[in-house]
Amino acid sequence: AQSVSQHNHHVILSEAASLELGCNYSYGGTVNLFWYVQYPGQHLQLLLKYFSGDPLVKGIKGFEAEFIKSKFSFNLRKPSVQWSDTAEYFCAVPDDYKLSFGAGTTVTVRA
Amino acid sequence: DGGITQSPKYLFRKEGQNVTLSCEQNLNHDAMYWYRQDPGQGLRLIYYSQIVNDFQKGDIAEGYSVSREKKESFPLTVTSAQKNPTAFYLCASRGSGANVLTFGAGSRLTVL
Repeated sequence: AQSVSQHNHHVILSEAASLELGCNYSYGGTVNLFWYVQYPGQHLQLLLKYFSGDPLVKGIKGFEAEFIKSKFSFNLRKPSVQWSDTAEYFCAVPDDYKLSFGAGTTVTVRA
Repeated sequence: DGGITQSPKYLFRKEGQNVTLSCEQNLNHDAMYWYRQDPGQGLRLIYYSQIVNDFQKGDIAEGYSVSREKKESFPLTVTSAQKNPTAFYLCASRGSGANVLTFGAGSRLTVL
């Protein structure tokens, strides 16, 4: 079965700082990769996804992620965070008919 | 608007009682899922259903039960056998041909 590792449990940043969250999955082959975000008090929602093609994927709100097959990684980045990016971020990989999620990273952006 | 409705949003239960969480979707999705979210553990899959009248156990099914009698509904029962039921429960659905899940707003269960 697929498993997903997220390296950071809690990240605290100041506004305008750059953000990078690590995500590794357990085995290769054809992979689809996802980042979901949960803003305080809101639904879990899709931030971005990779299915095929360009390994650099653009998502909503200025986020991007890079798929590096040789490293089994799909790290999430944002060059300059805002206070409104405070949220919990989850990396996810399909595993048979279900989606396996990482443990999540809580990002706190200080104004 | 299409989406997933979970109810109740908050629920308190005494130990030893069963409780049922509702999940309804009007997206015409075939697959539905129940996840449990705990701090520092991410989302763990309880049960999933790919089609009406069929469902499979996920990674942490013990102490839970589900039914899928209608396409739009996938209720979850948290039984008294679940040793640590206090958690945030998320329902999701998925359309055919895609791995993207749509989530409900969640139900927070607290056992007193």
